[in-house]
Amino acid sequence: KAGVTQTPRYLIKTRGQQVTLSCSPISGHRSVSWYQQTPGQGLQFLFEYFSETQRNKGNFPGRFSGRQFSNSRSEMNVSTLELGDSALYLCASSLDRGGNEQFFGPGTRLTVL
Amino acid sequence: GQQLNQSPQSMFIQEGEDVSMNCTSSSIFNTWLWYKQDPGEGPVLLIALYKAGELTSNGRLTAQFGITRKDSFLNISASIPSDVGIYFCAGQYFNTGNQFYFGTGTSLTVIP
Repeated sequence: KAGVTQTPRYLIKTRGQQVTLSCSPISGHRSVSWYQQTPGQGLQFLFEYFSETQRNKGNFPGRFSGRQFSNSRSEMNVSTLELGDSALYLCASSLDRGGNEQFFGPGTRLTVL
Repeated sequence: GQQLNQSPQSMFIQEGEDVSMNCTSSSIFNTWLWYKQDPGEGPVLLIALYKAGELTSNGRLTAQFGITRKDSFLNISASIPSDVGIYFCAGQYFNTGNQFYFGTGTSLTVIP
């Protein structure tokens, strides 16, 4: 069974631009969660989508948004990029909601210049 | 968001030695997960724990869900060079879906 895939793997943007990251969960998994990982803050929860609905949201500004499609694939968008948005963005896939095992993709490394 | 207290922050050990690390929280968790992350990659799930007191093994790795539900422990026996990496614990509250809180990580270096 294929694992979680994320595209692109690397991205370089400049301040003020916007970016869209993509995540394809493990086949059959309906929950997709997004995390931001930085050296200073560690792994921070952004949001979770289940059956195309956002169920949980972390403490991030409204510039961070996401969506989930009917095939469970998910995208996250960051608008008006800031230098501090440079991070590894990780997507995690779970079978359903409720504290199940989460499987991570390789991440997208975003650098904002 | 909440971060779990994970210790030690880093460890330097000789190949063949055993390793212990732990995670504590001020809140009660329903689920504990342990991950290993290599540089530039996503975390890889090692062990999942769902009940207080549960002890689960995965090869040379053993993890326990603390009785108080506020802590968890990971042990690695007979360490080998490929154990090098950063180990994270993650905890989830009851009724918060798949929102997990992560520990600050334990960086493990194994000296051959």
